[in-house]
Amino acid sequence: SQQGEEDPQALSIQEGENATMNCSYKTSINNLQWYRQNSGRGLVHLILIRSNEREKHSGRLRVTLDTSKKSSSLLITASRAADTASYFCATAPPPGNTGKLIFGQGTTLQVKP
Amino acid sequence: EAGVTQFPSHSVIEKGQTVTLRCDPISGHDNLYWYRRVMGKEIKFLLHFVKESKQDESGMPNNRFLAERTGGTYSTLKVQPAELEDSGVYFCASSPNRGTSNYGYTFGSGTRLTVV
Repeated sequence: SQQGEEDPQALSIQEGENATMNCSYKTSINNLQWYRQNSGRGLVHLILIRSNEREKHSGRLRVTLDTSKKSSSLLITASRAADTASYFCATAPPPGNTGKLIFGQGTTLQVKP
Repeated sequence: EAGVTQFPSHSVIEKGQTVTLRCDPISGHDNLYWYRRVMGKEIKFLLHFVKESKQDESGMPNNRFLAERTGGTYSTLKVQPAELEDSGVYFCASSPNRGTSNYGYTFGSGTRLTVV
């Protein structure tokens, strides 16, 4: 079965630095999504990139997708202490309407003030 | 609009007992999903409702788990009898019926289930 894998598993940086997280997957996808989970809270949808897109921006977030390598990266620029959270990639396999997301194990990001 | 609501937020039960988790999706969202994260592992899909019908229940671990969505509104997930390995965080998500997975889902805060 398809499974997203993320690296690093944990990342610790200083406020103001950039944070890059990577995600790899195994099978064809319809789109790839990134979610954030703050401690004890629910998953918050950050950004979605479709399989025919290569790069997408949203505020301080930049997502890339390389379908030939079956990988994606999430870049958070100018990080803030409030960005401290766990970040998950999730893939939606084709056909597009199954609704079933496959999550990676996540990257725990700590941003030190 | 109100988000996806789950309760209880925490539940501690003894092995062999029954627990029922509830999820209230965003009003008007036809799609409702259950996922869970067992300690240290990835978030895994359990099942997907479209209105009151089970569209995909391939992720349900065994017959101790029963999900319902009567009337196509809120959903319940019952674990009976609970086992130690059922401990984890159970998430619910909903999405409108418009090309389903081409949009991000709205997740609830989850129910943390601890079986002792």
